[in-house]
Amino acid sequence: AQTVTQSQPEMSVQEAETVTLSCTYDTSESDYYLFWYKQPPSRQMILVIRQEAYKQQNATENRFSVNFQKAAKSFSLKISDSQLGDAAMYFCADRSRDGGATNKLIFGTGTLLAVQP
Amino acid sequence: DGGITQSPKYLFRKEGQNVTLSCEQNLNHDAMYWYRQDPGQGLRLIYYSQIVNDFQKGDIAEGYSVSREKKESFPLTVTSAQKNPTAFYLCASSTRQGGNPYEQYFGPGTRLTVT
Repeated sequence: AQTVTQSQPEMSVQEAETVTLSCTYDTSESDYYLFWYKQPPSRQMILVIRQEAYKQQNATENRFSVNFQKAAKSFSLKISDSQLGDAAMYFCADRSRDGGATNKLIFGTGTLLAVQP
Repeated sequence: DGGITQSPKYLFRKEGQNVTLSCEQNLNHDAMYWYRQDPGQGLRLIYYSQIVNDFQKGDIAEGYSVSREKKESFPLTVTSAQKNPTAFYLCASSTRQGGNPYEQYFGPGTRLTVT
């Protein structure tokens, strides 16, 4: 079974600093997608960034970027110039095809990020 | 604006009662999903549906039921057989054609408390 592991239950960063959230995954598929979702206190899940496994270039969305290490099955999220609004729970997720027909997301347990002013 | 709505935001029920959580989307998405979120466990898939009148069990389907009579709607019933129903429930949808079929869009969630 596919698994996604986030080994940091909680992280803290000073405003304007950079923080990296870790994620490792275990999949036997060759074609897969990885995601980082943000869940602020409102609990609305928001897609932060997406990485296609076949792309060698790391995805970037403004202050958010990933370090995708395919051989190591690692998919970390870097947040630069942290802002108070970045405080949230962050979930890493892996798309599972569950035998071919289905696009399911397998989620990690999340990392709670606090941003200190 | 297109999106997913879930109602109500907070729901309270007595133990032994069935309760139905609503999920509606106007994104014209074919696939819809129900997740349960508990502290420290991330999101776990309850049921999903790829097309109208078809749905499959996820990882924790016991004690839950769904229907998919319309493309826009995917209600979830939490039955009295669910042993620990108190949780936060999230509905999501994704397209199967065009766009990114692997990206799921989420509703605001329903917090269910059973006492």
